[in-house]
Amino acid sequence: GAGVSQSPSNKVTEKGKDVELRCDPISGHTALYWYRQSLGQGLEFLIYFQGNSAPDKSGLPSDRFSAERTGGSVSTLTIQRTQQEDSAVYLCASSLGSPPGNTIYFGEGSWLTVV
Amino acid sequence: QKEVEQDPGPLSVPEGAIVSLNCTYSNSAFQYFMWYRQYSRKGPELLMYTYSSGNKEDGRFTAQVDKSSKYISLFIRDSQPSDSATYLCAMSGDSGAGSYQLTFGKGTKLSVIP
Repeated sequence: GAGVSQSPSNKVTEKGKDVELRCDPISGHTALYWYRQSLGQGLEFLIYFQGNSAPDKSGLPSDRFSAERTGGSVSTLTIQRTQQEDSAVYLCASSLGSPPGNTIYFGEGSWLTVV
Repeated sequence: QKEVEQDPGPLSVPEGAIVSLNCTYSNSAFQYFMWYRQYSRKGPELLMYTYSSGNKEDGRFTAQVDKSSKYISLFIRDSQPSDSATYLCAMSGDSGAGSYQLTFGKGTKLSVIP
């Protein structure tokens, strides 16, 4: 597809379980980002990848959150021992080159509900 | 004070009206200014992208940036029911973490009534 692809689109999980969220950026885009959007809140930056490297992980809320990117393409965001406050939309985005100045395109999001 | 302030609305206007949406910010390092549109249960879609101060027009949409006042606006002319969505402003800087971390407003929910 032409856009950023995320899966699953919806996930309901029990508290304490681990979840993996996947992102396929636009082909050829070297920069990849993860954001979180909680109900009533703005988008919150989580992590940025340039190629396979993550120069900034400062937005990850706790050590239960981790992310990796392989082959300069697909990225996985993993949340271990999920908590109810992790319920949110997790949005992946990509851009053609290094920021700033490159348009950032978002996917449709993975809607996570922790029960 | 939050870095980016945006009135959450909701804002309800009749079809054909001119809509004005705006954000204020406090970080003078912001240089890139964006407006995203987000439909319910969808990802944000880029509408307008502006560097530094000035105006930019694209069809029915006009973006304005006034860096001296730290104020940005999005105008929608001849609004349509299909414009009903949440509009998010976003900003970033030129260097360091500020260059790749977009800072978003919380969004303004717009309804255009036929």
